[in-house]
Amino acid sequence: QVHLQESGPGLVKPSQTLSLTCTVSGGSISSGDYLWSWIRQPAGRGLEWIGRISVSGATDYNPSLESRVTIGLDTSNNQFSLNLRYVTAADTAVYYCAREPRGYRPIDYWGQGTLVTVSS
Amino acid sequence: DIEMTQSPSSLSASVGDRVTITCQASQDVSIHLNWYRQKPGKAPKLLIYDASKLEAGVPSLFSGSRSGTNFTFTISNLQPEDFATYFCQQYDNLPFTFGPGTKVDIK
Repeated sequence: QVHLQESGPGLVKPSQTLSLTCTVSGGSISSGDYLWSWIRQPAGRGLEWIGRISVSGATDYNPSLESRVTIGLDTSNNQFSLNLRYVTAADTAVYYCAREPRGYRPIDYWGQGTLVTVSS
Repeated sequence: DIEMTQSPSSLSASVGDRVTITCQASQDVSIHLNWYRQKPGKAPKLLIYDASKLEAGVPSLFSGSRSGTNFTFTISNLQPEDFATYFCQQYDNLPFTFGPGTKVDIK
């Protein structure tokens, strides 16, 4: 059974960088059959797709965040990461990592989510 | 970006009721539309994909349909565990976008 787990600071100061890691267990992140995604959800609001990365390192980002986002892959530790620069209070949200099978397939596994608050 | 509108934003229902939620895409997304259920503090759970296909292990009381850019999600016999928020999501074009959600609570 595949399991994804987010980790990282729960509190980030404005203008700093939000950094999260997603650790994947029960399956290899090096499989070419999947894309590895980040999605966020501000409190009481809807879901926002942030971006995704393939095993080759190719990335797709939401244009609304693209200037501030980097998603990376660490195959040796079976992890992928999210960096969001110059954060503001509007970036306060629950951040989810997820696995998306290739080829117009829906996300099949989600992490439990981690709350990141941007505040001084 | 493709905008997903969803209605109603909330509804009250009783166990055993039939519940219908609609989602409209601002442009063609083909059949690439998912429906998720989300309970408080939990990740979304996929119920329907490709507009009308039931995810493995999901009870058949859930169903979905498509008419052009309009999508309908139905729970035929509402169960206690179904009081939650439901989202549609298009995965035809990047960036993937979600509807704002429909909260189903107890009447």
